[in-house]
Amino acid sequence: DQQVKQNSPSLSVQEGRISILNCDYTNSMFDYFLWYKKYPAEGPTFLISISSIKDKNEDGRFTVFLNKSAKHLSLHIVPSQPGDSAVYFCAARQRQGAQKLVFGQGTRLTINP
Amino acid sequence: DVKVTQSSRYLVKRTGEKVFLECVQDMDHENMFWYRQDPGLGLRLIYFSYDVKMKEKGDIPEGYSVSREKKERFSLILESASTNQTSMYLCASSLFRDRNYEQYFGPGTRLTVT
Repeated sequence: DQQVKQNSPSLSVQEGRISILNCDYTNSMFDYFLWYKKYPAEGPTFLISISSIKDKNEDGRFTVFLNKSAKHLSLHIVPSQPGDSAVYFCAARQRQGAQKLVFGQGTRLTINP
Repeated sequence: DVKVTQSSRYLVKRTGEKVFLECVQDMDHENMFWYRQDPGLGLRLIYFSYDVKMKEKGDIPEGYSVSREKKERFSLILESASTNQTSMYLCASSLFRDRNYEQYFGPGTRLTVT
């Protein structure tokens, strides 16, 4: 039972445009959400996070939006750069779930020059 | 800067062999995790540990065991490797009270079981 879903396995965006990566979740007990970025042959690295008490968090070119009623979050990257080409994972923490994270399947983002 | 290291980047083992994957972190983190990453399935939690000698099962513990004898080291053991355990294995660590719940990952070990 996939509690965190990234339904788009891949996304291709032109350099300079906006990249929008989506993530849906089913567990209403999730109270914190994170995005990780992974390059080939490297471990995932933390990108940005958001608490369930907020609906937006921004860090430079990266913004995460949370829609609790729809159980949906999205990561916006603007403007997209070639170095953003990577696999992006959405993750969620369950309230009372200690320090565990539940990850989505990942979306491979390719930025075309 | 947090560093999580894994003993091997690539490993090839035969079916039935006992396999040890080692993970070491240098930031005195209480929590350590083992995941496997497979195409289309994302990262799935195998085991985690909050403290020395403490372990808890994750979502897919079958066929695996772990050991945490020292705070900085967390080992994943495949008692009898099988071909369906061919995968990328990722170790991670985090602070117990990290308000961002951020986990720091090692570079991964790509294990092939033939």
